[in-house]
Amino acid sequence: GQQVMQIPQYQHVQEGEDFTTYCNSSTTLSNIQWYKQRPGGHPVFLIQLVKSGEVKKQKRLTFQFGEAKKNSSLHITATQTTDVGTYFCAGSDRDDKIIFGKGTRLHILP
Amino acid sequence: GAGVSQSPSNKVTEKGKDVELRCDPISGHTALYWYRQRLGQGLEFLIYFQGNSAPDKSGLPSDRFSAERTGESVSTLTIQRTQQEDSAVYLCASSLFFSWSYEQYFGPGTRLTVT
Repeated sequence: GQQVMQIPQYQHVQEGEDFTTYCNSSTTLSNIQWYKQRPGGHPVFLIQLVKSGEVKKQKRLTFQFGEAKKNSSLHITATQTTDVGTYFCAGSDRDDKIIFGKGTRLHILP
Repeated sequence: GAGVSQSPSNKVTEKGKDVELRCDPISGHTALYWYRQRLGQGLEFLIYFQGNSAPDKSGLPSDRFSAERTGESVSTLTIQRTQQEDSAVYLCASSLFFSWSYEQYFGPGTRLTVT
């Protein structure tokens, strides 16, 4: 069945450093979504990528969808304490259920 | 407008008891989703509703789990004869229409602890 792997599981960075989390699927995806979950909170939708090779930016966040539509990444430039949380990718193919990655937990060291 | 609400926010129950978890989606959202999130883990999809219909129940972990939705609004997730492995946060989400391409709006979750 479809699997979505996310790495790393944890990441500690100094405030101001960059951060990247990677998402890899065992099958080709029709789309991929990214969510952020603050500690103690619920997932909040960040963005969706649909096209092969697509790149989208939201302020300091850059999202990429691979050419083969099997992987994706989220890059945060110059992290801030407000970026703390767990970042999940969620992929689905045209007919299957959505599968969430296990998430990357980001800790910011002041 | 109001977001997705869930009740109770916390539930502690004894092993073997039944529990009902409630979800109130955003008004007008026709699709509703249930997920389970174990401590430190990702989201495990359980079931979705398109209107009041649940076309695919294969994500439910066992036959102790059931869900229903009425009036294209409130949904309840019922767990019978709870086991300790059922302890988790149960999240509900809704979207305007059903599609895995639509943004899902999540509720705050119900934290279930089975003792």
